[in-house]
Amino acid sequence: GEDVEQSLFLSVREGDSSVINCTYTDSSSTYLYWYKQEPGAGLQLLTYIFSNMDMKQDQRLTVLLNKKDKHLSLRIADTQTGDSAIYFCAERYSGYSTLTFGKGTMLLVSP
Amino acid sequence: DGGITQSPKYLFRKEGQNVTLSCEQNLNHDAMYWYRQDPGQGLRLIYYSQIVNDFQKGDIAEGYSVSREKKESFPLTVTSAQKNPTAFYLCASSKPSGVFQETQYFGPGTRLLVL
Repeated sequence: GEDVEQSLFLSVREGDSSVINCTYTDSSSTYLYWYKQEPGAGLQLLTYIFSNMDMKQDQRLTVLLNKKDKHLSLRIADTQTGDSAIYFCAERYSGYSTLTFGKGTMLLVSP
Repeated sequence: DGGITQSPKYLFRKEGQNVTLSCEQNLNHDAMYWYRQDPGQGLRLIYYSQIVNDFQKGDIAEGYSVSREKKESFPLTVTSAQKNPTAFYLCASSKPSGVFQETQYFGPGTRLLVL
């Protein structure tokens, strides 16, 4: 079956950069997404990248895509305590409307 | 305000009881989705609907049913056949057109607990 893999936990200090990694399965995936989930809440779309892109930057967020290795990363610059949450990577296969999610990476930011 | 609403926030189910979770959106989105989230797990797709009066099973549809009579609404019924219903249920919607095709936006979730 298809799996999107993420490391389960990341701990950083406030002000440092955080890098959350994800490997996906389908080289024909068209869109790749990063969502943030705070405790007891729904998912908030952070950013997305098309498969024909290598990088996308949006304020403190940088997404890098390595299609050869099927590797996606989310870098958060100047990480704040408010960034503490679970981050989900998701992919959408070409020709399909549904998303496949990883199990999420819990980011803990300490003061 | 445009968005997706889910109700109730918490729901308790007794053994053998069917319960219905509400999901409403005023984003004029065509597609709607239901996911189940268990602790330490990713999201698993239960059902989805791309258009009114049509829906498809996701990966874990057994024990669940849906309807899509209106564009704005996609209620999920957890039937007594679902033996392990305790989970966090998330509804999402998307507008499958243009550059942002299939970008899904999520509601705040409903936590279902079994008494």
